[in-house]
Amino acid sequence: EVQLAESGGGLVQPGGSLRLSCGASGFTFSNYWISWVRQSPGKGLEWLANITPEGHEKQYVDSVRGRFTISRDNTNNFMYLQMSSLRAEDTAVYYCAREMPVIGGAFDLWGQGTTVTVSS
Amino acid sequence: EILMTQSPGTLSVSPGERVTLSCRASQSISNKLAWYQQKRGQAPRLILYDISTRATGVPDRFSGSGSETEFTLTLSSLQSGDFAVYYCQQYLIWPITFGQGTRLEIK
Repeated sequence: EVQLAESGGGLVQPGGSLRLSCGASGFTFSNYWISWVRQSPGKGLEWLANITPEGHEKQYVDSVRGRFTISRDNTNNFMYLQMSSLRAEDTAVYYCAREMPVIGGAFDLWGQGTTVTVSS
Repeated sequence: EILMTQSPGTLSVSPGERVTLSCRASQSISNKLAWYQQKRGQAPRLILYDISTRATGVPDRFSGSGSETEFTLTLSSLQSGDFAVYYCQQYLIWPITFGQGTRLEIK
C-alpha cells in the first residue's frame, strides 16, 4: 500500500526540541520531493518545509527557518523534521506530504499526522 | 509571500444542491492552484490540481476554473460525503501557501 506515516510527536516544554519522522512505503521514495505541513488546533494548513529527492536542497517558511531542519534517508525511506527552540505557537498536527512529480507542490499523498504540544 | 483568501468562511447547503467556493490569490499564480478536502480528524485529500485537473479517484461532480488570481471550486449535486472543509493552495512560489478554508455544512 502506498502510504506515509508520521511519528515522534508528543508533549514538549517551550524551548525544547523534538524530532519527527515520516516513513514511506509502497512507492519509490527517492523520486519525490516531500514536505512538512502543520495544522494548529482549529486552524488552517501551514506549509513548513520541503526537500528535494536527493536531499540536497531544502526550503523553509520564515516562521521556522533557523529552528527546524528537514532531512531525509533514502536508504531507509524516511524523512525527518528536527525542531528546536519550540514555542507554544508550534503546537499543531504535523503532516508529511508527497509532492506530485512534474506538477510540483500539489500534495497527492499525506500521512495521518502526528501531534506536537508545546506547553509547560 | 502569496496570500490566499477563500470565501465564504462557511456555506450551508442541502444535499443535491450545487455550490461554488471561491479562492483569490494576492498575485498571479498562473495555473499553480490546488484544492483539498479535509474531513474532521483526517488528513487533507487532494481534489484538484493545476486549477481543474481532478486527482485520481475524484468524481466528476468536482470541477475547477479560474485564472491568474481568481479561482472557483464547484461541486454539483452535493452528496453527504462532500460536507467537509475545503482549502485552496498555491504552489507557484515558495513558501507554498493555503487559504484559510471554506466549511461546507449541511443545511
